[in-house]
Amino acid sequence: GQNIDQPTEMTATEGAIVQINCTYQTSGFNGLFWYQQHAGEAPTFLSYNVLDGLEEKGRFSSFLSRSKGYSYLLLKELQMKDSASYLCAVKWGNAGNMLTFGGGTRLMVKP
Amino acid sequence: GAGVSQSPSNKVTEKGKDVELRCDPISGHTALYWYRQSLGQGLEFLIYFQGNSAPDKSGLPSDRFSAERTGGSVSTLTIQRTQQEDSAVYLCASSSWGTGGPEQFFGPGTRLTVL
Repeated sequence: GQNIDQPTEMTATEGAIVQINCTYQTSGFNGLFWYQQHAGEAPTFLSYNVLDGLEEKGRFSSFLSRSKGYSYLLLKELQMKDSASYLCAVKWGNAGNMLTFGGGTRLMVKP
Repeated sequence: GAGVSQSPSNKVTEKGKDVELRCDPISGHTALYWYRQSLGQGLEFLIYFQGNSAPDKSGLPSDRFSAERTGGSVSTLTIQRTQQEDSAVYLCASSSWGTGGPEQFFGPGTRLTVL
C-alpha cells in the first residue's frame, strides 16, 4: 500500500520559522503537494514539487528529495492565521493520477 | 460561481437510509475526486473520474458506496443503508492537468451525520 507519514501536531511561536516533514513510500511518484486546511474548511493548495529541490513562494517554501522519499514545508515569519492543518499528498500510479494524503500536521501558532 | 460546489452542506439521516451527495466541479475540469474526512483525520480517497474513462473505485470502503458522473460534469455519491461509521465530511475536488495547474480545487464538503 501507499504510506505517507507526517507529525500529528506541532507548536511554534509567532514570528518564528517552522519545518513540517513528510516521508512517503508509494508505487511510483508523479509529484508531491502541500495543502493547508483551517478547521471546518476545505483544503487549499499551497505548493507542488515534482523535481528535487526547493520551491519558494512568499513565506512558504517546499523541498523535495525523491531519492529519500522526503519533503518538507517551511513556514517563515509565522502569523497566528497560519494555525491550521498542513496536508502532504503524493500523486502516484501508472497513469500518475492517484493522490494519497497523509494524516495532516496540526500546527498551533502561539503569541 | 467559479469554484467547486457541493450540496447539501449538511445532511442528517437515520441509520439504514440511503443518501445522495452532489458535486459540481469547476467548468472544464476533466478530473473529479471524492474523499472522506472523519473528525481530526486525514483525507481518505474514495473514487476518481477522469474524462470519459472508467472511474477508479479502489477507495470505496464497501459495496454500499457508489458514484456516477453524468456528462463529464456533475457527480453524485450515493451511500446505501447508511451506518453510523459513515458519518464524516465528504469532500469533492476537481482538477485539470491539460489546461491548468496540477492542483486539486476542493469544494466546501458535505457533513454527513448518521444517527
